[in-house]
Amino acid sequence: GAVVSQHPSRVICKSGTSVKIECRSLDFQATTMFWYRQFPKKSLMLMATSNEGSKATYEQGVEKDKFLINHASLTLSTLTVTSAHPEDSSFYICSARAPNTGELFFGEGSRLTVL
Amino acid sequence: EDKVVQSPLSLVVHEGDTVTLNCSYEVTNFRSLLWYKQEKKAPTFLFMLTSSGIEKKSGRLSSILDKKELSSILNITATQTGDSAIYLCAVEAGGFQKLVFGTGTRLLVSP
Repeated sequence: GAVVSQHPSRVICKSGTSVKIECRSLDFQATTMFWYRQFPKKSLMLMATSNEGSKATYEQGVEKDKFLINHASLTLSTLTVTSAHPEDSSFYICSARAPNTGELFFGEGSRLTVL
Repeated sequence: EDKVVQSPLSLVVHEGDTVTLNCSYEVTNFRSLLWYKQEKKAPTFLFMLTSSGIEKKSGRLSSILDKKELSSILNITATQTGDSAIYLCAVEAGGFQKLVFGTGTRLLVSP
């Protein structure tokens, strides 16, 4: 079964609204989670590193105010796309690293479509 | 800036063929190189290669890390249609456990 769960798997929203995507580690506690974005036929681009109990670390070029990340517990990180625009439409994937093995697990991904 | 490049970008082969996918990297403080297979959803883990484990094999898939050449290859022998996917190479670098992904290779195995 899934070790990292993402929800929702698919969401459609109107321009200007905000959308929240959840990422949960089911079998382990994750102090660090990662959020990626993937455009069609492209590779994964790291957006930010989510740190439990502290601010996220954003990659260069990623707008902090647009992509709000909250990592309030050791098993949950959320990504909120604020004031969404059609160009925000993409596949968003989270990942978390198991502390004992170091293996990186990915969520199932969330496909966002902004109309 | 950390960089991971994969080649070819896409590849079409016939069932039964053997394929070799390439990955080269330029990163600061290399820690490990990982291969993933992505079909319709999120990537699934294939191999992790480090300085202490430069060659891995699982069934028809195998991978080698060449730290001198800063590259890795992923071999798939006796390909099957189920091998059709995007194969992603990622490198863990620096001290923050984050991965830098390559461009991916889209493999299509025709019957």
